[in-house]
Amino acid sequence: DGGITQSPKYLFRKEGQNVTLSCEQNLNHDAMYWYRQDPGQGLRLIYYSQIVNDFQKGDIAEGYSVSREKKESFPLTVTSAQKNPTAFYLCASSARTDNTGELFFGEGSRLTVL
Amino acid sequence: QKEVEQDPGPLSVPEGAIVSLNCTYSNSAFQYFMWYRQYSRKGPELLMYTYSSGNKEDGRFTAQVDKSSKYISLFIRDSQPSDSATYLCAMSEVYGQNFVFGPGTRLSVLP
Repeated sequence: DGGITQSPKYLFRKEGQNVTLSCEQNLNHDAMYWYRQDPGQGLRLIYYSQIVNDFQKGDIAEGYSVSREKKESFPLTVTSAQKNPTAFYLCASSARTDNTGELFFGEGSRLTVL
Repeated sequence: QKEVEQDPGPLSVPEGAIVSLNCTYSNSAFQYFMWYRQYSRKGPELLMYTYSSGNKEDGRFTAQVDKSSKYISLFIRDSQPSDSATYLCAMSEVYGQNFVFGPGTRLSVLP
């Protein structure tokens, strides 16, 4: 089945450690996104990529880094510079050339900093 | 003022009720409007997608867009306990890009 796979589902990190969240899609979508979700707030865009080897900062990119070496993969690294990393992280993709432009989401990764 | 506002709820209704969920927005350039449903600890899933103004119906769900008032609504008829979730509105100016989300409304449908 086509979809977006995020891993791990749950992750615990000590302060000062970098962690990488995986996102893989087999939908053949060009665009991929990382959002952060906190209680009572809308999804906030961290980074997005519309094509391989290219990505742009979203609204809250500080303390995060990404890479897009393959069309299927868009990993997110939460660095120690991110001051408040505990959150639910959602990866999404969209096919900009189809007639809906909808976002498809993964199941999310919940990061807790101890 | 936030770009997209949504009543956070929680909203509790009895089974079978008609539910109205609403979003207001400030950017008149938004043209693409979406409603997502998100169950607890899961990723959002697309419920309805509308382009520009008008109504769209899909089963028990109806989406309305009023661009003149910068207001969108999602109506759920004959609500079921399985509809209990957080509903997120999202919109964009450009086709398939730069989506802006509301904070979500938590809905509980009580049996």
